[in-house]
Amino acid sequence: GAGVSQSPSNKVTEKGKDVELRCDPISGHTALYWYRQSLGQGLEFLIYFQGNSAPDKSGLPSDRFSAERTGGSVSTLTIQRTQQEDSAVYLCASSKRLAGGLQYFGPGTRLTVT
Amino acid sequence: RKEVEQDPGPFNVPEGATVAFNCTYSNSASQSFFWYRQDCRKEPKLLMSVYSSGNEDGRFTAQLNRASQYISLLIRDSKLSDSATYLCVVNMRPAGANNLFFGTGTRLTVIP
Repeated sequence: GAGVSQSPSNKVTEKGKDVELRCDPISGHTALYWYRQSLGQGLEFLIYFQGNSAPDKSGLPSDRFSAERTGGSVSTLTIQRTQQEDSAVYLCASSKRLAGGLQYFGPGTRLTVT
Repeated sequence: RKEVEQDPGPFNVPEGATVAFNCTYSNSASQSFFWYRQDCRKEPKLLMSVYSSGNEDGRFTAQLNRASQYISLLIRDSKLSDSATYLCVVNMRPAGANNLFFGTGTRLTVIP
């Protein structure tokens, strides 16, 4: 079946602009996660959605970052007033439930802020 | 101290060699452990879970040492296709998305 998909695959933006990154999880997966991976770094947890519960936003690095999940499926990560340090690969993952480490990742969006 | 630490490598080994990676974790209450594989410029993919009794999947063996707080991954008879970065993942108590920690990965290159 179809895996997790993300769009765009690459995004180059100017400092100060807003960007939206999209994630389509695997159908039927109720849990959705956003991570960030910078060069040479481990995955950094950003935000987590589980069903209709309030999201866990504890990993968002600043108030410039926000995310929504509409209809329990597609999610959008928005970064406002982008900074150069926001440059990274943004990975989305989904799982059937809060399944700990058993997650399926999308191919990521490579964001470059110039 | 980082929650999960790995030797970044790179490990360069010839085909057919046996190679082992360790990963240490800081929280003794950690409850579940995984190895992921990440190919260059690709997303991480689950390789195997790590059980207390140790587990094997073909050429891959994972072990957990709770007393010393480390997990290991052993790859026997290395193939060129094993070249990748191997991520150690630890889920700490209480289990949750924000308690899932990824190591920075160990890079393996298998040489012909």
